[in-house]
Amino acid sequence: EVQLVESGGGLVQPGRSLKLSCAASGFTFSNYYMAWVRQAPKKGLEWVATISTSGSRTYYPDSVKGRFTISRDNAKSSLYLQMNSLKSEDTATYYCASMGISYVMDAWGQGASVTVSS
Amino acid sequence: DTVLTQSPALAVSPGERVSISCRASEGVNSYMHWYQQKPGQQPKLLIYKASNLASGVPARFSGSGSGTDFTLTIDPVEADDTATYFCQQSWNDITFGSGTKLEIK
Repeated sequence: EVQLVESGGGLVQPGRSLKLSCAASGFTFSNYYMAWVRQAPKKGLEWVATISTSGSRTYYPDSVKGRFTISRDNAKSSLYLQMNSLKSEDTATYYCASMGISYVMDAWGQGASVTVSS
Repeated sequence: DTVLTQSPALAVSPGERVSISCRASEGVNSYMHWYQQKPGQQPKLLIYKASNLASGVPARFSGSGSGTDFTLTIDPVEADDTATYFCQQSWNDITFGSGTKLEIK
């Protein structure tokens, strides 16, 4: 069974940093692109980052480019999201997701809550 | 960015057929996917590449469309289908629709 378990969320002050982790199991992690998707309270879904199988290619929307960094450790079947210069509008539940054919998010974790507030 | 437009909400009775639409601001070929999100849960993939049923998803769910207009159909609707349904395109980067909240009367 595919499992994705996020950790590292919490309350952080504006301008500070936070790193999320996602532990994967039940599939060959190194064969899959991976992504982070966030959902602000009572809002829709927003794609945050994508990383290729080797980690050599990363992709971001403009809203987080230059502030967030996605990375992975295939030996540990783990995905990471380093978030710097956090803003109140980054407050959301952050989901990690495996990406299948055509960049579909075919499995999702339960999410990690991040609150940016002073 | 490719903007995906969905109706905010729908209400139907059990046993009926419901169609949820998603319109893209530009063509996305067939790279449209659908997710179901129940309250307090993570999203779940239902349909990928417009019309392909994801593993384990009941055949009551189906998808259609290409280019800019896409539809998710549930037939027949069951009480357990109460959820918000999101479309997502992956032809031009990745964007999601704002979601359609489905209420079962």
